[in-house]
Amino acid sequence: KQEVTQIPAALSVPEGENLVLNCSFTDSAIYNLQWFRQDPGKGLTSLLLIQSSQREQTSGRLNASLDKSSGRSTLYIAASQPGDSATYLCAVRNYGQNFVFGPGTRLSVLP
Amino acid sequence: IAGITQAPTSQILAAGRRMTLRCTQDMRHNAMYWYRQDLGLGLRLIHYSNTAGTTGKGEVPDGYSVSRANTDDFPLTLASAVPSQTSVYFCASSDSTGGYGPLHFGNGTRLTVT
Repeated sequence: KQEVTQIPAALSVPEGENLVLNCSFTDSAIYNLQWFRQDPGKGLTSLLLIQSSQREQTSGRLNASLDKSSGRSTLYIAASQPGDSATYLCAVRNYGQNFVFGPGTRLSVLP
Repeated sequence: IAGITQAPTSQILAAGRRMTLRCTQDMRHNAMYWYRQDLGLGLRLIHYSNTAGTTGKGEVPDGYSVSRANTDDFPLTLASAVPSQTSVYFCASSDSTGGYGPLHFGNGTRLTVT
């Protein structure tokens, strides 16, 4: 059974810092992995989707990498802004299975 | 704007009452999902449907039922609500016709069972 963890559970950084959020999964035979952000009281917004054949995906200041062999993905946020404050979740899909979500990392970017 | 519409946005329900949460998507995605989100437990899959006319059980299906009469609609029914079903419910969809596409979420329904 796929298990997904995210460390740290919470992170607080000053504005302008570059930061990395981590996602680990136990079963490396994944189909794809998706990163989301969730603002308080809101739904999940898709950030990036990485297919199993890809090593990374980029969107603006966000870069997500995937290392299947080690069961890890990282979300890199460059030049963080207070508007980046949210909870970031990763979700992993294996072949023939539904997505399994991690517990999320709560990010606070301080002005 | 294309996407997923959930209704109601919030509801307070007496225990024992029947309730249907509505979900409609206009992206023509074949797959749809219902999740519940609880503090400390994260997002858990309740039921899913890979295509119209079919449904499947997720991680926490007990006390819930779904139907998928057409591509666009995927209602979730609580036959007799209990306080443990107090949660935020999210509907999601994805296009899986050419492989597994990304998940898209609605804005959620906040349900309180008293």
